[in-house]
Amino acid sequence: NAGVTQTPKFRVLKTGQSMTLLCAQDMNHEYMYWYRQDPGMGLRLIHYSVGEGTTAKGEVPDGYNVSRLKKQNFLLGLESAAPSQTSVYFCASSKTNQPQHFGDGTRLSIL
Amino acid sequence: GQQLNQSPQSMFIQEGEDVSMNCTSSSIFNTWLWYKQDPGEGPVLLIALYKAGELTSNGRLTAQFGITRKDSFLNISASIPSDVGIYFCAGFHSGSARQLTFGSGTQLTVLP
Repeated sequence: NAGVTQTPKFRVLKTGQSMTLLCAQDMNHEYMYWYRQDPGMGLRLIHYSVGEGTTAKGEVPDGYNVSRLKKQNFLLGLESAAPSQTSVYFCASSKTNQPQHFGDGTRLSIL
Repeated sequence: GQQLNQSPQSMFIQEGEDVSMNCTSSSIFNTWLWYKQDPGEGPVLLIALYKAGELTSNGRLTAQFGITRKDSFLNISASIPSDVGIYFCAGFHSGSARQLTFGSGTQLTVLP
């Protein structure tokens, strides 16, 4: 009964470091998404994928890259972390024309 | 991008009271969704609305898709302590990738 699983749950980075956030879903969903959530704001879409091997930019893509090599996994990369990227990151997945299911988030702090 | 205005930003109510919150959009949406987020967790879907005018219930929760397709409301009846959390509206407008636009959330506090 895993649904959408995000790893890690917490991470602290120094400015300029790189890291990859992993999202895995076991529901055979076609679509996957990465959001960031900042205080007092709703979720903002970073990148999304409509299928294995395809990705596209969302509302706030700058400073992030993504890859979807396998249908069940969607990776979010920060090549050179900046303090402005301190946030809570949520992954979601969905079937076509169905609501999105969310993971429990990754809390990322950039010092 | 699309804008969703969600109100109120926060609410403090007594246990047992009814609650109402709403979202308005500057453009037409094809689907409205209401999510709840508990501390330290991801949003969980409460209700999905797919047709203008649709009124849907889920236990003590009732939501409606506005006739103009630019608004939606969520009502919670007889609130209980576990209703505490942040409630988000979200909507889809037409597009190939089902990109959701989120409201900024309503923080609900239920006082005993």
